Amino acid sequence: DQQVKQNSPSLSVQEGRISILNCDYTNSMFDYFLWYKKYPAEGPTFLISISSIKDKNEDGRFTVFLNKSAKHLSLHIVPSQPGDSAVYFCAASRDTGNQFYFGTGTSLTVIP
Amino acid sequence: NAGVMQNPRHLVRRRGQEARLRCSPMKGHSHVYWYRQLPEEGLKFMVYLQKENIIDESGMPKERFSAEFPKEGPSILRIQQVVRGDSAAYFCASSRGTGELAQYFGPGTRLLVL
Repeated sequence: DQQVKQNSPSLSVQEGRISILNCDYTNSMFDYFLWYKKYPAEGPTFLISISSIKDKNEDGRFTVFLNKSAKHLSLHIVPSQPGDSAVYFCAASRDTGNQFYFGTGTSLTVIP
Repeated sequence: NAGVMQNPRHLVRRRGQEARLRCSPMKGHSHVYWYRQLPEEGLKFMVYLQKENIIDESGMPKERFSAEFPKEGPSILRIQQVVRGDSAAYFCASSRGTGELAQYFGPGTRLLVL
């Protein structure tokens, strides 16, 4: 039972434009959400997080939006850079210090 | 400041052998998590440990798999009598614990069962 879903397996974006990666979840008890970036043959790297008390969190070029009523999460990268090309995973948890449920990932390609 | 360390990075085993995967958490982190990624899939939680305690093993297969995080030394994920379906990337993550939002991942161990 996939509680966190990333329905787009891949996304291509021109350099300098905005990349929008989407994530949906089914469990209304989730209250912490994270985005990870993963290069081939490496472990996931933490990017940005948001708790359910917020609807937006921004860190440089990365912004995460949370729509609790729609159970939807998105990551905006602007401007996109070729080095952003990687697989992006969203993850959700019911509380801190517990397991995270991961989506299946979206492979982002930023075209120079 | 070293990150999460995992070894070996690659491990080849024949069916029926044992696999031992090691994870050293980041300095100051006392919580360890093991995840498995099968080909073309996302990461699946296996087990969450604190020093000398298993907190949540709801994602661990009931047989052949075990994990420990002793008072001294790394966390160990042990797979006995490996089968081809165990071939996957196994990732370890660590965090400070309650109140710490992010888990920081190691580079993973890629297990291949022949």
